[in-house]
Amino acid sequence: QSALTQPASVSGSPGQSITISCTGTSSDVGGYNYVSWYQQNPGKAPKLMIYEVSNRPSGVSNRFSGSKSGNTASLTISGLQAEDEADYYCSSYTTSSALNYVFGTGTKVTVL
Amino acid sequence: EVQLVESGGGLVQRGGSLRLSCAASGFTLSSYWMHWVRQAPGKGLVWVSRINSDGSSIRYADSVKGRFTISRDNAKNTLYLQMSSLRAEDTAVYYCARDSDYGSGSYYNWGQGTLVTVSS
Repeated sequence: QSALTQPASVSGSPGQSITISCTGTSSDVGGYNYVSWYQQNPGKAPKLMIYEVSNRPSGVSNRFSGSKSGNTASLTISGLQAEDEADYYCSSYTTSSALNYVFGTGTKVTVL
Repeated sequence: EVQLVESGGGLVQRGGSLRLSCAASGFTLSSYWMHWVRQAPGKGLVWVSRINSDGSSIRYADSVKGRFTISRDNAKNTLYLQMSSLRAEDTAVYYCARDSDYGSGSYYNWGQGTLVTVSS
């Protein structure tokens, strides 16, 4: 079991919406509603943005939303702002023998 | 305020050992599952290990199984990671992270990380 697959980079202009995909298998993303998303700024610890597919923790902007279809989860950022520029990672519980939880490969979001 | 503070990182020779600590405050450690996650320089996040609330259930990534040991002292509000037989590929920032009380793998809170460098 290796990492979940994310696009290396996604970009958008301020005010636009972007979507980051996270593709796994039926052993992880497709099999459980335990997908979460993290934002990480350079030199900082990750921050939880979405948990259990589509739930937002207190304090996270409602511009961030999550969904899942089959083996692919998605994070959508609407009304893109300069402060959203960061790395984003998905994560999922997995029944892989090699891991118990698995992260995505990470996506660099650039605000043009 | 929930706080997680890691310590114990540093420079160690290949084959050596190190023990990381994660001091928790602002919440009751004994109620939550806890994880260690690492990030090699310039690379992505990688799950390392997790322990349930009372320490009775533990899992490791294959890459560290048999070399790393996760433990917790709920009375001291502290999580540990004992690392031995360290390899160059273990070089990374190590984060401790707080999960829910049922181990969903949602990392609600993170420490600032501690850097482990394994020299060859």
